[in-house]
Amino acid sequence: SQQGEEDPQALSIQEGENATMNCSYKTSINNLQWYRQNSGRGLVHLILIRSNEREKHSGRLRVTLDTSKKSSSLLITASRAADTASYFCATNSNSGYALNFGKGTSLLVTP
Amino acid sequence: EPEVTQTPSHQVTQMGQEVILRCVPISNHLYFYWYRQILGQKVEFLVSFYNNEISEKSEIFDDQFSVERPDGSNFTLKIRSTKLEDSAMYFCASSRLAGGIGNEQFFGPGTRLTVL
Repeated sequence: SQQGEEDPQALSIQEGENATMNCSYKTSINNLQWYRQNSGRGLVHLILIRSNEREKHSGRLRVTLDTSKKSSSLLITASRAADTASYFCATNSNSGYALNFGKGTSLLVTP
Repeated sequence: EPEVTQTPSHQVTQMGQEVILRCVPISNHLYFYWYRQILGQKVEFLVSFYNNEISEKSEIFDDQFSVERPDGSNFTLKIRSTKLEDSAMYFCASSRLAGGIGNEQFFGPGTRLTVL
């Protein structure tokens, strides 16, 4: 299975702090993606990092990828209460169509 | 900003009944997907659809499931005879690209299916 698996399962921080979530996967990948899901809602694409990239930034998000360790991390800087959500990493299936999601990290940001 | 829409937002049905979940993907996207999420569990891939045929499906997508693009805009998921374990949130998604170059998928808000 190529599914990404995130840790920690749950993370609670205060506004202004940074949040770091990690993802590990099992097989070789072409890219890895991070998604956010607010409670009871659909998934929102955050960022895609290709296998030949090591780091990528988008606003307050920073993603790293270490293909030798088959791991990725998502850093949210200066967190806000609105960042409260579940965060998932996803990898493509071998065919390139399906996204395989991990179980996610539930992030709670308290004011 | 274009978005994927899904109807209904909530569907309640009796076990054994047929249900059709509807989706309108983003208009210039070519690849369409269905996923489901059982309460408290991770999002699971069901099927992908391209050029009017299934391009990939998971083990979950058995003979009870079918997909169709009946016209130029709608994309439907049919469950022929629902079971209790089909209760889940069903998400439709679409993407402009697919394959190894990266298919950023845009998800709809989901349809919550409850089978009684």
